[in-house]
Amino acid sequence: GDSVTQTEGLVTLTEGLPVMLNCTYQSTYSPFLFWYVQHLNEAPKLLLKSFTDNKRPEHQGFHATLHKSSSSFHLQKSSAQLSDSALYYCALSEWNNNAPRFGAGTKLSVKP
Amino acid sequence: DPKIIQKPKYLVAVTGSEKILICEQYLGHNAMYWYRQSAKKPLEFMFSYSYQKLMDNQTASSRFQPQSSKKNHLDLQITALKPDDSATYFCASSHPGTGNERLFFGHGTKLSVL
Repeated sequence: GDSVTQTEGLVTLTEGLPVMLNCTYQSTYSPFLFWYVQHLNEAPKLLLKSFTDNKRPEHQGFHATLHKSSSSFHLQKSSAQLSDSALYYCALSEWNNNAPRFGAGTKLSVKP
Repeated sequence: DPKIIQKPKYLVAVTGSEKILICEQYLGHNAMYWYRQSAKKPLEFMFSYSYQKLMDNQTASSRFQPQSSKKNHLDLQITALKPDDSATYFCASSHPGTGNERLFFGHGTKLSVL
C-alpha cells in the first residue's frame, strides 16, 4: 500500500540556515504529494502540493520537487525564519483516493 | 470566521461513556474526513465521506461511527470510550475529485478520557 516516510522527530536549526525536510514515499500509482504545516495549537494547513506538470511548487519561501525516480518530495527553504518553527507533515494521495495519508511529521525548531 | 466548525473544542469523558463530536463545514465541499492526532500516532486518517457516502475507513474499531445528517455535516460518535481514545480529532473537507485536492481542517476537538 501507499506510505510516506519523513525525517524523524525534531530538526533544530539556527535562523538563516537552509531547511531541508525529507519525504519519501511508496505508491502503487502516480501519487499526489503535499506538505502541510501545523503551528502550535492550530489546525494543519496546506503549505504546498505537487503539480501534475512537474512544475516546482513554492509558498512562503518553501519549495519542493517531486522526483519520481527517487520517490521523494523533500521540503526546502534557503533561509529559516523563527516563524517557521512548526510541525510539518508530508502527505500522499492517489488518483482514486481523496483522503491523503500523512507521514509521522517532522518538528522544526528554529533558534535565534 | 471559521469555515469548518468543530464542537466542542475540549471534551472530558469518563471511561465507558459515549460522546459525539460535531463537525459542520461552510466551504461548499462534498467530501469530508475525520483524522486523529495523538502523541503515539500523529495525524492518522479515520474516515472519508463523499456526497454523504462512506468512501474509506481506516479505523479498526466499530466504536467509532461517523454520522452525516446533511451534506455539510459529518459528526463522529464514539462509544465505550477508553483512555487510549484520548487525542485531538480533526474534521476536514475538500472538493472531491482526482485526489489532488487540498484539505481544509477544522481546529479540532481535544478529547480526554479519564
